[in-house]
Amino acid sequence: AQSVTQLDSQVPVFEEAPVELRCNYSSSVSVYLFWYVQYPNQGLQLLLKYLSGSTLVKGINGFEAEFNKSQTSFHLRKPSVHISDTAEYFCAVLSTGGYQKVTFGTGTKLQVIP
Amino acid sequence: DAGVTQSPTHLIKTRGQQVTLRCSPKSGHDTVSWYQQALGQGPQFIFQYYEEEERQRGNFPDRFSGHQYPNYSSELNVNALLLGDSALYLCASSRGPTGANQPQHFGDGTRLSIL
Repeated sequence: AQSVTQLDSQVPVFEEAPVELRCNYSSSVSVYLFWYVQYPNQGLQLLLKYLSGSTLVKGINGFEAEFNKSQTSFHLRKPSVHISDTAEYFCAVLSTGGYQKVTFGTGTKLQVIP
Repeated sequence: DAGVTQSPTHLIKTRGQQVTLRCSPKSGHDTVSWYQQALGQGPQFIFQYYEEEERQRGNFPDRFSGHQYPNYSSELNVNALLLGDSALYLCASSRGPTGANQPQHFGDGTRLSIL
């Protein structure tokens, strides 16, 4: 079984300030990790994914995330946020091998304050 | 290149009715997964279709069923609708059902409201 915990349901941050959205996961096997963004009334858009290799993953829109196996975390960061980053962000995990379903966290709403 | 398309965009039904939602995958994709996203929650996996068969299923009752056609498009059917079925239903497609091609490209969803 696998699970994802997003510790913050809402994160307010001022424009041009840095932000970190936290994600912890649980799985008995190796995993792939993902961050998605969802704008109002839209589906999910992939920001970045960790499959293997370098633990620092860079994605679209200036976002990056770092995989930490010992802490079972995959936190999302951006050094300077813009108003347009206001959205909901979902962390997701997929156990490797075979037919597998993706498990999503409950999401973090990022509100960028002008 | 069209992405994942879902229809209808919005739908209102009453308790006990049946509903069919439709999804066309992104060009080149052969696998379709369905998710239910309740208000304020993350998407919950319903099931996945590949080669016209249900390959994986989440913790949803048999009232939720699906189908995949030879052109890879898919339908989600829900019978005996309950108030709790009100949600955004997301379809996602991928090239193959496993591994790093997951999770997928998502459509904008169908908003289902049960009265």
